[in-house]
Amino acid sequence: DQQVKQNSPSLSVQEGRISILNCDYTNSMFDYFLWYKKYPAEGPTFLISISSIKDKNEDGRFTVFLNKSAKHLSLHIVPSQPGDSAVYFCAAISHFSNFGNEKLTFGTGTRLTIIP
Amino acid sequence: IAGITQAPTSQILAAGRRMTLRCTQDMRHNAMYWYRQDLGLGLRLIHYSNTAGTTGKGEVPDGYSVSRANTDDFPLTLASAVPSQTSVYFCASREHTNTGELFFGEGSRLTVL
Repeated sequence: DQQVKQNSPSLSVQEGRISILNCDYTNSMFDYFLWYKKYPAEGPTFLISISSIKDKNEDGRFTVFLNKSAKHLSLHIVPSQPGDSAVYFCAAISHFSNFGNEKLTFGTGTRLTIIP
Repeated sequence: IAGITQAPTSQILAAGRRMTLRCTQDMRHNAMYWYRQDLGLGLRLIHYSNTAGTTGKGEVPDGYSVSRANTDDFPLTLASAVPSQTSVYFCASREHTNTGELFFGEGSRLTVL
């Protein structure tokens, strides 16, 4: 049972335009969400996160939106740059159901390609 | 450079052989994790350790074992490798804070023939 889903395996976006990556979750106990970026032959690196008490978090070109009622979050990258080409994973964690034993659940990833 | 070191980077292994993937961190993080990454399946948790001396099973623990004798090291052992364990393995660590941020190693690519 995939609790965190990224339904688009790949996405291509023109340089300078907005990239929107989507993620859906099923577990209503998730209360913290993260996005990781992964380049080939490297480990994932943390990009941005959001707590369930917020609906938006912004960091430079990256903004994450959370819609709790729809159990949906999205990552917006604007403007998109060639260096943004990577695989993006969303992840979720539940603090209150497993306090002290929290583990991240990852989505399947979306490969973003920025076209120059 | 502070972070997580994994070894080996890449390994080809015959089925039935025993293999240990090494992971060392120098950030003094309490929690450590092993994930495997497979196409179409994302990152799946194999085993974890919240603190030295304790371990727990993740989503896909069968065929793997771990130990956590000290804070820095968290080796993953395949007692008798099978082809379905062909994957890229990532070790990660995290401080016990309210964020879920993990720090990952660069991965170990394992091929079981």
